[in-house]
Amino acid sequence: GAGVSQSPSNKVTEKGKDVELRCDPISGHTALYWYRQSLGQGLEFLIYFQGNSAPDKSGLPSDRFSAERTGGSVSTLTIQRTQQEDSAVYLCASRWGQQGYEQYFGPGTRLTVT
Amino acid sequence: AQTVTQSQPEMSVQEAETVTLSCTYDTSENNYYLFWYKQPPSRQMILVIRQEAYKQQNATENRFSVNFQKAAKSFSLKISDSQLGDTAMYFCAFMKPVRDNYGQNFVFGPGTRLSVLP
Repeated sequence: GAGVSQSPSNKVTEKGKDVELRCDPISGHTALYWYRQSLGQGLEFLIYFQGNSAPDKSGLPSDRFSAERTGGSVSTLTIQRTQQEDSAVYLCASRWGQQGYEQYFGPGTRLTVT
Repeated sequence: AQTVTQSQPEMSVQEAETVTLSCTYDTSENNYYLFWYKQPPSRQMILVIRQEAYKQQNATENRFSVNFQKAAKSFSLKISDSQLGDTAMYFCAFMKPVRDNYGQNFVFGPGTRLSVLP
């Protein structure tokens, strides 16, 4: 079956522009996570969805970051007025809602803000 | 809050030898799950192995095995017969039972960069 997919694979944008990153989770997975990974670093939690609701937005670094999920499936992470410090790989992961099940990751979107 | 520590930022091992990556965690939970993920240069995160805390037997997946010491809150990964393709970042992760909608029920360590040398 298909895994988690993310698009675009790479995105180069100018400082101040808005970007949208997309995540298609594995069909049937109710939990969806967004992480940010700076070069050579660990995973920084951004936001978590259970179905269409986001009970935990605690990781979003500023109000320039927002995310939504529709139909319990596709999620979009939007970064407004991008800054150079937003440059990173953005990873999406999905998981079956039952506890104990691992996350499955997408290949990530590498965002470069020039 | 749970924390996961990986004290070895970088390690190297000769091909065909054995290497152990360490992971410790802090929790007051009794029932939880632990995972090791591998992230090669392609950046695709791949699950290597998982362990349920209620199981005393250490998990094993081919050349990968863990040493789970619940009392010590330690969860090390042993890679036997290391191969060049094992070169990657390795992340230890902790998951507590979901009793609320708190997304950080899944916590990752900072990672260990493993290089397998020919």
